[in-house]
Amino acid sequence: RKEVEQDPGPFNVPEGATVAFNCTYSNSASQSFFWYRQDCRKEPKLLMSVYSSGNEDGRFTAQLNRASQYISLLIRDSKLSDSATYLCVVRSGNTGKLIFGQGTTLQVKP
Amino acid sequence: DADVTQTPRNRITKTGKRIMLECSQTKGHDRMYWYRQDPGLGLRLIYYSFDVKDINKGEISDGYSVSRQAQAKFSLSLESAIPNQTALYFCATSGTGRADEQFFGPGTRLTVL
Repeated sequence: RKEVEQDPGPFNVPEGATVAFNCTYSNSASQSFFWYRQDCRKEPKLLMSVYSSGNEDGRFTAQLNRASQYISLLIRDSKLSDSATYLCVVRSGNTGKLIFGQGTTLQVKP
Repeated sequence: DADVTQTPRNRITKTGKRIMLECSQTKGHDRMYWYRQDPGLGLRLIYYSFDVKDINKGEISDGYSVSRQAQAKFSLSLESAIPNQTALYFCATSGTGRADEQFFGPGTRLTVL
């Protein structure tokens, strides 16, 4: 079983739609959680950290459920520019190492 | 100028050749990492370094070696390249806090024939 699992998609949605991605992690000792965005053939970039209380950044909302060991990302009012691969990332223990999910691909259509 | 740079950006080589990928950063970070990315597998950690005197193996270090020449430089070597090392390689840096973001270089696309 992979330590961080995501549905690879692709998710094809029309502009303006709301779309949600989930991610599960297996190590209950995981300490920090992130969503990274990766455009095609580009480097990953941090989209947002995920806090226990949930957090929002504009159209993006991230939530963490430690009991069920899953993380979610909600995108409201999707834009064409949101088309990318979204990577769920978990930091395990105190080593600073990040564990990456394989990514969920989003394609927003006009 | 980019904060994290990688050279070369693309490389095609033959089985058995020695290859070095270089990474430089101007962010002043102590921590540096090398990852490879393969379709369907996500990013996997090859080696990481928390300072100039610290080198650690990641989950897939076999067939690779690294050198941390200075705080700003971290190079990855393939001593004898093989076709299944064909992948997209990323260097990354981070600060020392638990929640510190990792900043990635633009990647090196390596093809081993």
